[in-house]
Amino acid sequence: GESVGLHLPTLSVQEGDNSIINCAYSNSASDYFIWYKQESGKGPQFIIDIRSNMDKRQGQRVTVLLNKTVKHLSLQIAATQPGDSAVYFCAENVGTGRRALTFGSGTRLQVQP
Amino acid sequence: GAVVSQHPSWVICKSGTSVKIECRSLDFQATTMFWYRQFPKQSLMLMATSNEGSKATYEQGVEKDKFLINHASLTLSTLTVTSAHPEDSSFYICSAYGQGAGNSPLHFGNGTRLTVT
Repeated sequence: GESVGLHLPTLSVQEGDNSIINCAYSNSASDYFIWYKQESGKGPQFIIDIRSNMDKRQGQRVTVLLNKTVKHLSLQIAATQPGDSAVYFCAENVGTGRRALTFGSGTRLQVQP
Repeated sequence: GAVVSQHPSWVICKSGTSVKIECRSLDFQATTMFWYRQFPKQSLMLMATSNEGSKATYEQGVEKDKFLINHASLTLSTLTVTSAHPEDSSFYICSAYGQGAGNSPLHFGNGTRLTVT
């Protein structure tokens, strides 16, 4: 289930189950979205991205869904593995310029073996 | 793929001293790098945008005289925390876009854990 920690919500799943991590973004002008995975003591690692002209994009074991109407982004991880345990952040950008990203608050995913 | 390297990975310093953190783009040139700060259990917050050959652009609330940024070459940006205090203890992460036009993922270094005693 999902619980709210001190600052970071946590999602606990069993190994092999599918995980869904949600993100509400803030800027209606944002048109590029990225999911990052951050392991303890490391920098964020790119997982998958999506542009606003799409509502779904699939990668290897991951799918990102975008609902611009409600400004909602989700990351689905299929057959979750212990190595997927990390903190996941969504990030948004506006336009085609190479601007800094704005990060969401993050969700900690805990995979129980 | 684009690799961003940070050094050191961790540093402990005494209050009042200064600490320099380096960020290098290893296999590409980066005219712009971004510096983020992350407190425990929190998200990444943008501190400043580092521009090669010109002054950095700081976010509101970030003291430019305290967090000195130098981007002297296309592959190196440095962040110097001057007169560090315990409240500056944090995880500092730099990032840069790889080569190529348009949107592409922002690549991150592995961060520098700063502890000020």
